[in-house]
Amino acid sequence: EVQLVESGGGLVQPGRSLKLSCLASGFTFSNYGMNWIRQAPGKGLEWVASISSSSSYIYYADTVKGRFTISRDNAKNTLYLQMTSLRSEDTALYYCARSTTYWGQGVMVTVSS
Amino acid sequence: DVVMTQTPPSLSVAIGQSVSISCKSSQSLVYSDGKTYLHWLLQSPGRSPKRLIYQVSNLGSGVPDRFSGTGSQKDFTLKISRVEAEDLGVYYCAQTTHFPNTFGAGTKLELK
Repeated sequence: EVQLVESGGGLVQPGRSLKLSCLASGFTFSNYGMNWIRQAPGKGLEWVASISSSSSYIYYADTVKGRFTISRDNAKNTLYLQMTSLRSEDTALYYCARSTTYWGQGVMVTVSS
Repeated sequence: DVVMTQTPPSLSVAIGQSVSISCKSSQSLVYSDGKTYLHWLLQSPGRSPKRLIYQVSNLGSGVPDRFSGTGSQKDFTLKISRVEAEDLGVYYCAQTTHFPNTFGAGTKLELK
């Protein structure tokens, strides 16, 4: 069974940093591209970043480009999202997803002073 | 960026009724491999999104055949035949043909 388990969220002040992790199991992690997708409270889905299976290709939404870094460790079956210079508008539930097929339960990030 | 326009924003339905949701993209969603990466997701209250249909018309694993998807190029439709209580929630169309991947704003399906 495919499982994606996010961690690392929490309350952080504007301008600070936070690193999210997503531990994958139930499939060969190194064979698949992965994504981070977020959902602000009461809002719709917003794609954040994608990384190919070998990290050769990386894409970011304009709203996070230059502030967020997506990465992966295939030996640890783990996807990461390093978030810096956080803003209040980054407050959201962050999902780790394999394509649109499999989603984690999400991890909440709240940016507030 | 590809804009996904989803209508209606909400639907009030009775159990057993059939409904359709429209999704129109600002650009063709046909990729260079000839496939169209348009998908439909359902987010039930308090849950993570679940993929219902992939590549326009392919039913996801375990998804009942009351759900069907049609369309091409820039115009797509999700149809739910005989709505059941478990179908309630917010439906999203999503395109993964182009980066950035984008989502429709959602259609909230509620009980009448």
